[in-house]
Amino acid sequence: GQQLNQSPQSMFIQEGEDVSMNCTSSSIFNTWLWYKQDPGEGPVLLIALYKAGELTSNGRLTAQFGITRKDSFLNISASIPSDVGIYFCAGFHLSGSARQLTFGSGTQLTVLP
Amino acid sequence: NAGVTQTPKFRVLKTGQSMTLLCAQDMNHEYMYWYRQDPGMGLRLIHYSVGEGTTAKGEVPDGYNVSRLKKQNFLLGLESAAPSQTSVYFCASSLGGGNQPQHFGDGTRLSIL
Repeated sequence: GQQLNQSPQSMFIQEGEDVSMNCTSSSIFNTWLWYKQDPGEGPVLLIALYKAGELTSNGRLTAQFGITRKDSFLNISASIPSDVGIYFCAGFHLSGSARQLTFGSGTQLTVLP
Repeated sequence: NAGVTQTPKFRVLKTGQSMTLLCAQDMNHEYMYWYRQDPGMGLRLIHYSVGEGTTAKGEVPDGYNVSRLKKQNFLLGLESAAPSQTSVYFCASSLGGGNQPQHFGDGTRLSIL
């Protein structure tokens, strides 16, 4: 099946700093989704991307669907303490029986005051 | 509007015991999914359903069974629990399949002793 490499695995940043994380794959994806998971809760959808090159914002969050369709980036500007959590990318690939999302292993974000 | 509700939230089982995890969604979604989340491995799909009365295997189906007797409910069963099934289980639903965003419940934390 498709594999997603998400990096970095963890980040420690100061409040107010910008954050960047990304997902890459050897396969082409048709859709990229970014989720955030708070401790003790399920993942919550942040941004959905459906076209190569698409750049979409949700408040301080901006995500891009890579031109090659093999990667996606999530940026968080001016981080605040409530940004703490695990961020997951997920991709969907239209091929054969792979009619399901593939998730990255997550980026654990810690924001220091 | 509750979204996706999972019960129970926590459970401890002994090896060999059986149990059923319950998932209910009130969004009239066609597709439902069961994932397991283990440290450093992101979310892995166990089984999914594309509609009432249908089920299909995901990435890690062994040791689990599912049923979708009603559109709003998706049940995950462990017939004979094993320590390797200690995990956090998430249910999700989506309006359609594939690239439609999935909405997650808050998870069931299951420990097998």
